[in-house]
Amino acid sequence: AQSVAQPEDQVNVAEGNPLTVKCTYSVSGNPYLFWYVQYPNRGLQFLLKYITGDNLVKGSYGFEAEFNKSQTSFHLKKPSALVSDSALYFCAVRDPLRGGSYIPTFGRGTSLIVHP
Amino acid sequence: DGGITQSPKYLFRKEGQNVTLSCEQNLNHDAMYWYRQDPGQGLRLIYYSQIVNDFQKGDIAEGYSVSREKKESFPLTVTSAQKNPTAFYLCASSYRGQGASYNEQFFGPGTRLTVL
Repeated sequence: AQSVAQPEDQVNVAEGNPLTVKCTYSVSGNPYLFWYVQYPNRGLQFLLKYITGDNLVKGSYGFEAEFNKSQTSFHLKKPSALVSDSALYFCAVRDPLRGGSYIPTFGRGTSLIVHP
Repeated sequence: DGGITQSPKYLFRKEGQNVTLSCEQNLNHDAMYWYRQDPGQGLRLIYYSQIVNDFQKGDIAEGYSVSREKKESFPLTVTSAQKNPTAFYLCASSYRGQGASYNEQFFGPGTRLTVL
C-alpha cells in the first residue's frame, strides 16, 4: 500500500522568511514523489517531483524539495517566502512496485499563509 | 491549467437531477481522471481511464458514472444516487508512454457543484 501524510493543516510564515511544508510517505519500494500547488478555486499545478538521483529537487517558482529516505520525508522548501506563495499545497506519492494503474495517492493538503 | 478545460465552472443541481460535468484535453494524453475535493479531505479519486472505451472505479465511484468514447473527452455524470454531491470536482490527465509511472498529472480548473 502507498500512503502520504501532511502533518500540518496550516503553515504561517512571514514574507521573506524561509518556508517548509512537510510531507512523509509510506511505500513498499523506492517512491516517486510529487508536489502540487492549488490557488483558490483553481486546479492543481505541478511544482516538482522526485524520481531518483539527487535528493534535492528544484522546481517551479523557486521551490525545492529534499528527499530523505531514512526519514521517509519529502519536505517542500523555499528560501524566501512571498505573499503570492499563499496557497494550498499537496504532496503525492506513487509506489513503482504497485504496478498497474499508476494512480498516485494525495495528502490532505497544507494551507500556506504568507504574511506581509 | 495546461491543456485541460472543464465546464461549467459553477453548476447548480436540484435534488433528484442528474448532471454532467465536461472535461476535454488537447494534450494527447491517454490517461484521464476525476477527483472530488472537499475541504480538509484532499483529493479523492472517483473514476479513471487509461485508454479509450475503458475506465475503472476509484475510491468513491458510487453515485457517479463516466464514459470515454474519445481520447480527448472524459465526462462525469453525477447521478441522483449520489447523496452528497456538493463539492469541487477536478479532472486531470497524464501521459502513459515512457515514464508513465512517474509522469505528473495535469489538472483542469475545476467545476464547483452545488445542490440546491
